[in-house]
Amino acid sequence: QQPVQSPQAVILREGEDAVINCSSSKALYSVHWYRQKHGEAPVFLMILLKGGEQKGHEKISASFNEKKQQSSLYLTASQLSYSGTYFCGTDSEYGNKLVFGAGTILRVKS
Amino acid sequence: EPEVTQTPSHQVTQMGQEVILRCVPISNHLYFYWYRQILGQKVEFLVSFYNNEISEKSEIFDDQFSVERPDGSNFTLKIRSTKLEDSAMYFCASSDQGARTGELFFGEGSRLTVL
Repeated sequence: QQPVQSPQAVILREGEDAVINCSSSKALYSVHWYRQKHGEAPVFLMILLKGGEQKGHEKISASFNEKKQQSSLYLTASQLSYSGTYFCGTDSEYGNKLVFGAGTILRVKS
Repeated sequence: EPEVTQTPSHQVTQMGQEVILRCVPISNHLYFYWYRQILGQKVEFLVSFYNNEISEKSEIFDDQFSVERPDGSNFTLKIRSTKLEDSAMYFCASSDQGARTGELFFGEGSRLTVL
């Protein structure tokens, strides 16, 4: 079942912060975050695992609330290069099936 | 840096024709995936593959679709009797740990246009 992302779109000025949320109705083992620029492939940002382990880029921060099956991606001091569509993906404990949400379009303006 | 490569980058086909999309995953990866993205929409899971067999597949992945690892390096997606609604970007991805705990590395995609 597809995770739900919010907001659908956000516009920022350079230097501003944003939070993108992802929630699921089923028990999760991991939450992934990817960014996709127009016409390109999705690029990995971070994975958060049940139990607290996180792997990803140092400049990206995110949280995973296992009880609520929710994750948030925190983008601070945004830069023009942050523009793109952000997808969260979720997988269950016994699966090998990363299912993505509908995406959040982020546009950073100068 | 190792990367996933996909061919062709763009294929145009007539409705009803068969199409084979090819992927070369990163060499030491054992988990392979196909995703589909219709223009401007979300990235949809099609199928995952591990140990020479399908791990999971979505409801989209019906009898029209098949995957194969014909040799030690290629991973293919075959679409039989293509329909107009199959027009999309198809992404291959690979992982050394699997989606449950590891990063997916995506190829640049194969754009399929069905006329």
